[in-house]
Amino acid sequence: KAGVTQTPRYLIKTRGQQVTLSCSPISGHRSVSWYQQTPGQGLQFLFEYFSETQRNKGNFPGRFSGRQFSNSRSEMNVSTLELGDSALYLCASSFDRVDEKLFFGSGTQLSVL
Amino acid sequence: DQQVKQNSPSLSVQEGRISILNCDYTNSMFDYFLWYKKYPAEGPTFLISISSIKDKNEDGRFTVFLNKSAKHLSLHIVPSQPGDSAVYFCAASGTDTGRRALTFGSGTRLQVQP
Repeated sequence: KAGVTQTPRYLIKTRGQQVTLSCSPISGHRSVSWYQQTPGQGLQFLFEYFSETQRNKGNFPGRFSGRQFSNSRSEMNVSTLELGDSALYLCASSFDRVDEKLFFGSGTQLSVL
Repeated sequence: DQQVKQNSPSLSVQEGRISILNCDYTNSMFDYFLWYKKYPAEGPTFLISISSIKDKNEDGRFTVFLNKSAKHLSLHIVPSQPGDSAVYFCAASGTDTGRRALTFGSGTRLQVQP
């Protein structure tokens, strides 16, 4: 069974631009969550999607948004990029909202110049 | 305000010996705890978990212990192998935060010396 797939693997953007990251969950998994990892703040929860609806949101500004499609694939978008948005963005999937175990992808490394 | 703390940034042990990684939490609403292992340039990999109704869970070489009164959990790896060298993250969730909104510790880098 293929794992969680994230694209692209690396991304370089400049301040003020916007970016879209993609995530394909494990086949059959319906819940997708997004996390940000930075050296200073560690791993932080961004948001969770299930059945195409955002179910939970972390403490991030409105510039961070996401969506989920009917096939459970998810995208996250960051608008008006800031230098501090440079991070590893990780997507995780789980079978449903009851299963506590998350399976992570390898992430998208975003650099904002 | 770090709700999950891993106070040891690094740990070095000899191959074959026991590795003990520690984690403390402050949020009394946390009721499910997980350990993840992370290699460079990869996402975290789930290792083992424990519910707050238990105080111990074993899976092969990995055992997690939970002390609810002390708000402390630990991961024991016996015997340690060089392939265990990675960064280990403790994570927690509660019914107030949601099961997929894990709160992670800052990680402990384990180095197993051959």
